[in-house]
Amino acid sequence: DVKVTQSSRYLVKRTGEKVFLECVQDMDHENMFWYRQDPGLGLRLIYFSYDVKMKEKGDIPEGYSVSREKKERFSLILESASTNQTSMYLCASRTRPTSVETQYFGPGTRLLVL
Amino acid sequence: LAKTTQPISMDSYEGQEVNITCSHNNIATNDYITWYQQFPSQGPRFIIQGYKTKVTNEVASLFIPADRKSSTLSLPRVSLSDTAVYYCLVGSNYGGSQGNLIFGKGTKLSVKP
Repeated sequence: DVKVTQSSRYLVKRTGEKVFLECVQDMDHENMFWYRQDPGLGLRLIYFSYDVKMKEKGDIPEGYSVSREKKERFSLILESASTNQTSMYLCASRTRPTSVETQYFGPGTRLLVL
Repeated sequence: LAKTTQPISMDSYEGQEVNITCSHNNIATNDYITWYQQFPSQGPRFIIQGYKTKVTNEVASLFIPADRKSSTLSLPRVSLSDTAVYYCLVGSNYGGSQGNLIFGKGTKLSVKP
């Protein structure tokens, strides 16, 4: 079974802090994603990485950066956390796209910025 | 980009069949339709995917009309454990660019005893 793990289930940070969210997958997937999920807005893509050291901006990249130094690990960085970044953050991975596109999601990190 | 529209919420009772429809008027030729299920405090989980006509697996069926501008997820004889949010996703599997994958806002299904 594919396993996607996230470093924390719950996180509380203060405004202005630098925040690191880590995601690790164990299936040698090329593609990895970071989403945020807010009530009434569904899932919104922050960043996408299609291979090591490769990244693309998603729909809402402002205030975030990412790092993919190793294939199995994709990190989301909040350079200076703000209260409007309080949200559920979900990481996902998939193989290089084929005829069946399936993303495997981690359990999520619920971040509260005070 | 093919955006999707789904009902915000639906209610059902145990043992009933539930049909959730997703509209995607601007679907492109290469786009597939994929549905995910999400329980509270968990990440979404893949349910089913299709391109046209009908697809069935052990969990659900997916009906896609000839014009592909909509699709219907059908859950047979739901139970309380099917209470979840269901997402409709339309996108292409080719090209490698994430820019053409879009999640809908989801339909919250509540199954009552």
